[in-house]
Amino acid sequence: DAGITQSPRYKITETGRQVTLMCHQTWSHSYMFWYRQDLGHGLRLIYYSAAADITDKGEVPDGYVVSRSKTENFPLTLESATRSQTSVYFCASSGRPNYGYTFGSGTRLTVV
Amino acid sequence: GQQVMQIPQYQHVQEGEDFTTYCNSSTTLSNIQWYKQRPGGHPVFLIQLVKSGEVKKQKRLTFQFGEAKKNSSLHITATQTTDVGTYFCAGPSGNTPLVFGKGTRLSVIA
Repeated sequence: DAGITQSPRYKITETGRQVTLMCHQTWSHSYMFWYRQDLGHGLRLIYYSAAADITDKGEVPDGYVVSRSKTENFPLTLESATRSQTSVYFCASSGRPNYGYTFGSGTRLTVV
Repeated sequence: GQQVMQIPQYQHVQEGEDFTTYCNSSTTLSNIQWYKQRPGGHPVFLIQLVKSGEVKKQKRLTFQFGEAKKNSSLHITATQTTDVGTYFCAGPSGNTPLVFGKGTRLSVIA
């Protein structure tokens, strides 16, 4: 799915550092989401956005910050990374509420 | 909050056998969606069911939405090695974003 890209694909960072994961989509989808995927927990929603400048918390928002100044971008920032934030992070977008999410390829983040 | 449960967690089948995964929600869903994630890949949208009792087919895959709109199933007939992956169901409750089940990981032994 070339229309939604995440960067970087892999990232290793140290505990306490700030790190930003990028997500860019080219469809002008209104809805964008951040999920994390961990063994035994499946996909858990971190934050989501219904439009530019509108964001809301999901199930596991603590330690994360998002912004959406432009429709196409939805970066996720870990303010002070912790080992428990080691995970695979997926960004997704949708043109309609709760229909057919398109996922990016993911960012595998390791916090050491 | 809303919970979506899937069983089984893992399923190993011989190629050619059938496979079924079940999904149950703690709340009534406006729709149910199914996604497939290949090993090392990302979830890919397969289908959405909206109506109570709805059944949809995609080649060897049959999807069903329960009458009470709280449960769903995915059945694969005559599995192939290309079916390997994790199958997730997901549903919104009202206007909330999708809540995903933990998935069923399917292994197919050739």
